[in-house]
Amino acid sequence: EAGVVQSPRYKIIEKKQPVAFWCNPISGHNTLYWYRQNLGQGPELLIRYENEEAVDDSQLPKDRFSAERLKGVDSTLKIQPAELGDSAVYLCASSSGLAGSEQFFGPGTRLTVL
Amino acid sequence: RKEVEQDPGPFNVPEGATVAFNCTYSNSASQSFFWYRQDCRKEPKLLMSVYSSGNEDGRFTAQLNRASQYISLLIRDSKLSDSATYLCAVEKSGGFKTIFGAGTRLFVKA
Repeated sequence: EAGVVQSPRYKIIEKKQPVAFWCNPISGHNTLYWYRQNLGQGPELLIRYENEEAVDDSQLPKDRFSAERLKGVDSTLKIQPAELGDSAVYLCASSSGLAGSEQFFGPGTRLTVL
Repeated sequence: RKEVEQDPGPFNVPEGATVAFNCTYSNSASQSFFWYRQDCRKEPKLLMSVYSSGNEDGRFTAQLNRASQYISLLIRDSKLSDSATYLCAVEKSGGFKTIFGAGTRLFVKA
């Protein structure tokens, strides 16, 4: 069974440029998460989807970040414009959505903003 | 105070040693608890869920203390391959938001 797929794996951009990350969750997983992980820190939730609905986006910096999950499957996370402090690993995860269920993470996108 | 706190370590132990990590959480309404393992430059992967009665998987034992609001992970007979960062995760009730700790780094040396 295929795991969570993310692309690109690495991205280097200059500040003020836009960037987008793509995620394809495990088939059948209704819940999709986007996390940001800084060096030496744990993943921090940016947004959580239940199917196509964003049910928790309280930690998403909405002035520059946006996300969508059309048709409740694939998802895209966008940053526009990027800032130096956005350099991090962006992880996508999916789960069945049941309480106590395991989250399966993708390999992440390592973003460097110069 | 962070919602989930872990000792960052690093823990440096010889092969065969027993090592224990603790993780404290602040929200008493938390309902599910996990330990994830993260290798260097890799994604987190579930190591084990933590149940009220405690659970064991081979050399790994996890325990939950709701009264004191902490969970623990015990690794017996450490192997070189156990070297990784161990992330504590706590799922809040009524929304299932998961909060991760910053992780505890473990180095097992020959």
